[in-house]
Amino acid sequence: DIQMTQSPPSLSASLGDKVTITCQASQNINKYIAWYQQKPGKAPRQLIRYTSTLVSGTPSRFSGSGSGRDYSFSISNVESEDIASYYCLQYDNLPRTFGGGTKLELK
Amino acid sequence: EIQLQESGPGLVKPSQSLSLTCSVTGYTITSGYDWSWIRKFPGNKMEWMGYISYSGSTNYNPSLKSRISITRDTSKNQFFLQLNSVTTEDTATYYCARGGGSDYWGQGVMVTVSS
Repeated sequence: DIQMTQSPPSLSASLGDKVTITCQASQNINKYIAWYQQKPGKAPRQLIRYTSTLVSGTPSRFSGSGSGRDYSFSISNVESEDIASYYCLQYDNLPRTFGGGTKLELK
Repeated sequence: EIQLQESGPGLVKPSQSLSLTCSVTGYTITSGYDWSWIRKFPGNKMEWMGYISYSGSTNYNPSLKSRISITRDTSKNQFFLQLNSVTTEDTATYYCARGGGSDYWGQGVMVTVSS
């Protein structure tokens, strides 16, 4: 199985900050990574697919980049509605595997 | 609009089987994509459990291979999860989702395994 090491596990930010979350895969995943936002009691919402493609409806303050084993996800100008947990998912290989999640909180 | 909705019992006894249904609207499950079950454990770890493809083939997480079965009823546009011999470690919120990149998800159903 491909291991997805996501960091940091938690993040504290002020409104307007830029934050970055990383996921490192245990092997090359050929850019097949998606990023999700999850709020308590809600389903995960896909924000980005294939490393950097914003899903329809995703605000432009979200972005993704990376290649090979190393990927990052950023939120520029954090807004209050961005307070949530974030997960990466690799879908290059089966079984698909998730990162451990990052909880974004307000400072 | 594509919607997925999980349903099933919220409490299952140890050693019994867990059975869940995912009802899909807005897209026909035989038209394309694979259709997955994913679970989120207390403590927030997420695990992809397996899928049934639009053609009916299945693929399961090896960690569950001996206990899991995913089937479908194309007439009802539903697919199903059966997980056998459950233990307390199967307590989780279970989601169904569409596609390799899991673009659409259901709201999830919390299942507790307890006697």
